[in-house]
Amino acid sequence: DGGITQSPKYLFRKEGQNVTLSCEQNLNHDAMYWYRQDPGQGLRLIYYSQIVNDFQKGDIAEGYSVSREKKESFPLTVTSAQKNPTAFYLCASSIARLGNIQYFGAGTRLSVL
Amino acid sequence: RKEVEQDPGPFNVPEGATVAFNCTYSNSASQSFFWYRQDCRKEPKLLMSVYSSGNEDGRFTAQLNRASQYISLLIRDSKLSDSATYLCVVNPRDDKIIFGKGTRLHILP
Repeated sequence: DGGITQSPKYLFRKEGQNVTLSCEQNLNHDAMYWYRQDPGQGLRLIYYSQIVNDFQKGDIAEGYSVSREKKESFPLTVTSAQKNPTAFYLCASSIARLGNIQYFGAGTRLSVL
Repeated sequence: RKEVEQDPGPFNVPEGATVAFNCTYSNSASQSFFWYRQDCRKEPKLLMSVYSSGNEDGRFTAQLNRASQYISLLIRDSKLSDSATYLCVVNPRDDKIIFGKGTRLHILP
């Protein structure tokens, strides 16, 4: 089945710890995205990548880092500099550019211990 | 005006009724528009794209009004399974995409 796989489904972070969220797609999409969703809020774009080895900051990139070494993979690291990391993190992909239809993974819920 | 604005609801609608909600956007140069559906604690899923000529898919109709800068979603003969949060998505320029905060819909039996 083609789709986007995020792991883990739930993640707990200790103070001062970096954690990495995985996102893999087998849709052969060029573009991939990371969003954060807080209760009662819309999705906010953290980072996006439209091609391998290139990525751009979104609206709330501070405290996060990404890499895009392979077309199918776009991991997100939540660093210790992100002081309020508790949220629902969603990865998405699309053909080519930002304005195309995006397909989402099932998400990762991150909480702070 | 906010970049993208939706009535948060909730809209409580009896089963079988017709319900409509709008989403306003501030950038007149916006290029792409979509409606997504999000169930509680799940990921958003594309419901439909919104074209200048309108778009209909079964019980769902989406329309774009560029003059007044809003998109709309109409649901006819509503089902219990339509209960969800509906997100509008606007692409105001090549390097930006904005998700609305969503409108919650509850279909009542």
